[in-house]
Amino acid sequence: QVLLQESGPRLVKPSGTLSLICSVSGGSTRSVNLWSWVRQAPGKGLEWIGEISHTGTTNYNPSLKSRVSISLDKSKNQFSMTLTSMTAADAAVYFCARELSRQWPYYEYGMDVWGQGTTVAV
Amino acid sequence: VLTQSPGTLSLSPGDRATLSCRASESVGARYLAWYQQKPGQAPRLLIHGTTSRASGIPDRFSGIGSGTDFTLTISSLEPEDFAVYYCQQYGSSPFTFGPGTKVDIK
Repeated sequence: QVLLQESGPRLVKPSGTLSLICSVSGGSTRSVNLWSWVRQAPGKGLEWIGEISHTGTTNYNPSLKSRVSISLDKSKNQFSMTLTSMTAADAAVYFCARELSRQWPYYEYGMDVWGQGTTVAV
Repeated sequence: VLTQSPGTLSLSPGDRATLSCRASESVGARYLAWYQQKPGQAPRLLIHGTTSRASGIPDRFSGIGSGTDFTLTISSLEPEDFAVYYCQQYGSSPFTFGPGTKVDIK
């Protein structure tokens, strides 16, 4: 059973940088799955932040692209997200998630494993 | 852009729930997913590829659709089904979510 666990600061100063780690257990970041970050502002819906493949290829939401970076550390079996120039609008619950396999023979799209989420205030 | 309707659906246990997700541009069937989220919890994948139930999802949940119009149906609501439901498209990046439909108890 694959489990994901987010870790990082609960409070970031305005204009500061948020750095979150997602630790993967029961599975491997070397697998063909992609790994994603999603956030949810208080009382709001879900916002897709971006994703990273096992080869390190990234894809970001343009609304955050200049401020966000996602990386993969296969040796530690974890992936991370950095968001710079934080403002009050970035206060949210941040989730990490595993994407279904988009490769042959599956070609499936969706996030099937999620971390519990970590609340970040600014 | 994804829109979902209705914003809130007030139903009773045992009722049938029909949730709509409409895209501003055509989305390939492979690229449409549905999630359930309860307060204080992470979302849970229900449906991927428009019609395929994720692992462990009961068969009272079903999805259908094509092009710009997609539907999630819960055939008979159980008490644990009262939650917020989101659709998500993977047809073009960014992989946006709809605003959600809240299914609450009437």
